Parts: sequence; structure tokens; C-alpha cells
Amino acid sequence: AQKVTQAQTEISVVEKEDVTLDCVYETRDTTYYLFWYKQPPSGELVFLIRRNSFDEQNEISGRYSWNFQKSTSSFNFTITASQVVDSAVYFCALSLTGTASKLTFGTGTRLQVTL
Amino acid sequence: SAVISQKPSRDICQRGTSLTIQCQVDSQVTMMFWYRQQPGQSLTLIATANQGSEATYESGFVIDKFPISRPNLTFSTLTVSNMSPEDSSIYLCSVQRFTGPRDEQYFGPGTRLTVT
Repeated sequence: AQKVTQAQTEISVVEKEDVTLDCVYETRDTTYYLFWYKQPPSGELVFLIRRNSFDEQNEISGRYSWNFQKSTSSFNFTITASQVVDSAVYFCALSLTGTASKLTFGTGTRLQVTL
Repeated sequence: SAVISQKPSRDICQRGTSLTIQCQVDSQVTMMFWYRQQPGQSLTLIATANQGSEATYESGFVIDKFPISRPNLTFSTLTVSNMSPEDSSIYLCSVQRFTGPRDEQYFGPGTRLTVT
């Protein structure tokens, strides 16, 4: 069975600080997908990124970047120059290819960005 | 991207009653799923809604409690039956459309259910 661990339950930073959210996953499959979602206080789940297990290139999208390392089974998410609007719960998730893309979620990290 | 709507957005129900949640997608999708998010918790998959056949339930979830329909490729319903306060959660519909290497999985806005 697969598992996703987000050890950081809550992080508080001051605006403009950089922050990294950790995600460690477990699976015996060699082919899988990793995801990050943002859940702001309004409750909707916002898709951020999907990465397959064969693509270890780091990705940058504006202030967001993701570091995927198969050697350590980690898929960490960094927000550069954080803003108050980044305050949300962030979920990391895993799905296996060849299945119906069912997502296994981590427990989430609550990020609080203050002025 | 996919535009997903859910009805109702929230409801307060009495124990012992049932509530049916609707999920409508703006275009045909291959896969539809139902998730539950209990207060302050992560998301847990309830079932995969299969078009034209019975839903596939995850461990701990049964059809009698959470009957699901999927009459076509853009619509599904989840019923929470014989509700108890423990069913108070956000219920989310999720879809995936196989479009190639940039496949994404989207979630609806959720239905916030409170059972009293």
C-alpha cells in the first residue's frame, strides 16, 4: 500500500520569507504520479502540479518550485517570497498508474503567512 | 481544465435522514471519484464512480451507506444514507480526463455536510 507523509502540520512565516513544505512518499510501484494541492480557507482544492515518477526534473512556476528526488522518495514544495494569499493547507498526494488514478493524500501542512 | 459544480454547497441534516449530492462536469471525463474530508483531516477516497456499472468502493465504505450513480460521462451523485453526526464532512467530487502528458485531476468545490 502507498503512503504519503507530511511531517509538518503547521508552519508560520512572515511575508516575503521562503518556505519549503516537505512530502515523503512510500510505494513499491516504479510508476506513479505525485501531486500538490492547495486548499485555501474557502475550502476548494486547487491543483498545483502533477509529476510522474520518470520525470525528476525540478519545476518552477512563478514563485512556486518543486524538488522531486526519487533517491529519498521526496517531493518538496517551495514558495519563494511568500505572500499572505499563500495561507492555506497544502496537500501532497500520490497515485499509481494502471489504477483508476486514486489519490492517496498526506495529512496536509497548514501554512500561515503573516505581515 | 475542467469546471466542476456540486449541489448543494452545504447542508445541515438531521440524523437518520439521507442526502444526495450532485456532481456536474462541463465536459466528458473518463474517471470520476468521490472523496470525504472529515473536519481538520485529510481527504479519503470513498469510491470510483463507474459509468454504466456499479461504483468501486474503498475499504471501509459500503454501497448501502454511500450509494453512487453515474448515468453518463458528465454527471454523478453520491448519497449519504441514514446519516449520523460522524458523517459530518466535506464531500468532494473529483474528475480526471485523459488528455496526454498534462493530465490533471480536478476537484469540485465540495459539499459541506453537518449532521445534527
